[in-house]
Amino acid sequence: AQSVTQLGSHVSVSEGALVLLRCNYSSSVPPYLFWYVQYPNQGLQLLLKYTTGATLVKGINGFEAEFKKSETSFHLTKPSAHMSDAAEYFCAVSGANTGNQFYFGTGTSLTVIP
Amino acid sequence: NAGVTQTPKFRILKIGQSMTLQCAQDMNHNYMYWYRQDPGMGLKLIYYSVGAGITDKGEVPNGYNVSRSTTEDFPLRLELAAPSQTSVYFCASSSPPRDYEQYFGPGTRLTVT
Repeated sequence: AQSVTQLGSHVSVSEGALVLLRCNYSSSVPPYLFWYVQYPNQGLQLLLKYTTGATLVKGINGFEAEFKKSETSFHLTKPSAHMSDAAEYFCAVSGANTGNQFYFGTGTSLTVIP
Repeated sequence: NAGVTQTPKFRILKIGQSMTLQCAQDMNHNYMYWYRQDPGMGLKLIYYSVGAGITDKGEVPNGYNVSRSTTEDFPLRLELAAPSQTSVYFCASSSPPRDYEQYFGPGTRLTVT
């Protein structure tokens, strides 16, 4: 079975600082990769996804992620944090090699300090 | 498109009561899923369905039942509610291999007292 590891269940950054949320997956075959965001008391919203093609993927709200096959990673970054970025972030993998199943990481809670 | 809709938004149940959480999608997705999310935790898969008439257990199926009589609807039934079932429930849908992205509903917040 696939596993998705998000390093750091809680990350704090200052407003304006770089946001880096880490995600690693376990698979010899590159899956499809996703980042979802969950704002307080809301559902999950897709930030960005990698399926094929360009390994640097841009998403909503200024976020981007880079698929690195050699490192089996899909880290999420944003150059400058805003207060509105405070939320829970989930990395996920899916694809034919997962039996079309979706595997979520345990989530990273991002706090933005003014 | 309404996407994925869930009703109700909130519900309080007494121990031992039963209820059905409704989920519907209008995107003609073949796959549908039910997750629960406990406070401060990630998502746990309860049940999923790969098409009408086909359902399968996820990670935490005990205490729940599902059915999938149509492509659009995927209700989740709680029998004999217990405090351990207090959680937020999310329904999602997807359409692999055309689209692996999961689309989520807004959630149902359930409290069992």
